[in-house]
Amino acid sequence: QLQLVQSGAEVKMPGASVKVSCKASGYTFTDYYIHWVRQAPGQGLEWMGRVIPKSGVTHYAQKFQGRVTMTSDTSISTAYMELSRLTSDDTSVYFCARDGSHYDFSDWGQGALVSVSS
Amino acid sequence: QSALTQPRSVSGSPGQSVTISCTGTSTDVGGYNFVTWYQQHPGKAPKLMIYDVAKRPSGVPDRFSASKSGNTASLTISGLQAEDEADYYCCSYAGSSTWVFGGGTKLTVL
Repeated sequence: QLQLVQSGAEVKMPGASVKVSCKASGYTFTDYYIHWVRQAPGQGLEWMGRVIPKSGVTHYAQKFQGRVTMTSDTSISTAYMELSRLTSDDTSVYFCARDGSHYDFSDWGQGALVSVSS
Repeated sequence: QSALTQPRSVSGSPGQSVTISCTGTSTDVGGYNFVTWYQQHPGKAPKLMIYDVAKRPSGVPDRFSASKSGNTASLTISGLQAEDEADYYCCSYAGSSTWVFGGGTKLTVL
């Protein structure tokens, strides 16, 4: 069955970078876009951007432009989200989600907690 | 891009109906028929409940319905059940390959 399995929790120092992975299985990885959504503790969902695995083309929310890089490795059906220059405000659970072809997010990873603290 | 506006909380008794609103602008909710709704239980990943404004994915009970008028979308849950208690988020396509979420609504089943 379809699964998106994300990497584990991370603790980072302010100013550092973090790279979260999202391994897909149960479908053809290159046929669907992958989105990244984050959720700060006790807060709402925030769309960060998406990557098109087949081409590598990315689209980012303006808020993260210049600080986020989304990539994919089709050989291992895995998408990545790297966020740099971390601050405490970046402490969040980061979710990957598969585009459902209806401008929706049909399937989600389990989330990866990134904590930023000195 | 500003977040869509949702009520912070709504509540209802089992068997009753509740409606959650989601207000955006003409550049997101009002501009596209690509509004989605997600249900999120504590500590879990969101689950798609509605896509294309009013369509239900396979497996979502027909107690969940949705609509849109102008810049405001709405999700209605009828015949409330205890398991419906969760956070609900609307989301809209906002053009130029970007999306925007609402702030979320906590549904309490009394």
